[in-house]
Amino acid sequence: SQKIEQNSEALNIQEGKTATLTCNYTNYSPAYLQWYRQDPGRGPVFLLLIRENEKEKRKERLKVTFDTTLKQSLFHITASQPADSATYLCALEPSTNAGKSTFGDGTTLTVKP
Amino acid sequence: DTAVSQTPKYLVTQMGNDKSIKCEQNLGHDTMYWYKQDSKKFLKIMFSYNNKELIINETVPNRFSPKSPDKAHLNLHINSLELGDSAVYFCASSQAGNTEAFFGQGTRLTVV
Repeated sequence: SQKIEQNSEALNIQEGKTATLTCNYTNYSPAYLQWYRQDPGRGPVFLLLIRENEKEKRKERLKVTFDTTLKQSLFHITASQPADSATYLCALEPSTNAGKSTFGDGTTLTVKP
Repeated sequence: DTAVSQTPKYLVTQMGNDKSIKCEQNLGHDTMYWYKQDSKKFLKIMFSYNNKELIINETVPNRFSPKSPDKAHLNLHINSLELGDSAVYFCASSQAGNTEAFFGQGTRLTVV
């Protein structure tokens, strides 16, 4: 069956360090993968999208990699700040059945000052 | 000028009642969605509409009936509410061909 797993439910790091979050999937052929940020009591907010033919995407302090051989995406936040503390969700859109994104269960990141 | 707005933000109701959640987007998007997020934070798609037409219906009990009067609105009506329906429901929209989704603030439904 199709599965999306985000390793570690919670990740605690020190301010200034790089946070690395992982999204693994099985039995999936994603057309692309997205990362969202969700704060308590709020809806998810889109951060980055990476397509299956792209290896890496950057946006300011954020970097996403996509390895379709390993079936894995890594999400990096460099020079992390306490304001980066939130839950981060990955979402896969299959190459068939457009519009049906499936979300991972999220990783809650806490950046300590 | 909220992009995706849903009301109410909180909804507490008794088992067996019928309730509706409203959603509106002012982004001009063609596609709207309803997601359910349970206590374990899993965000699961329920329905997707494109230009007022249902395109995704994910094995949701037929007590849940979405209605899209126009492409800017997608309301969710729930009949005969059950305890297991308690969750946060998110409305979202995206432009066809651009899959970045914009989410509403969520409606926390509590069935007692």
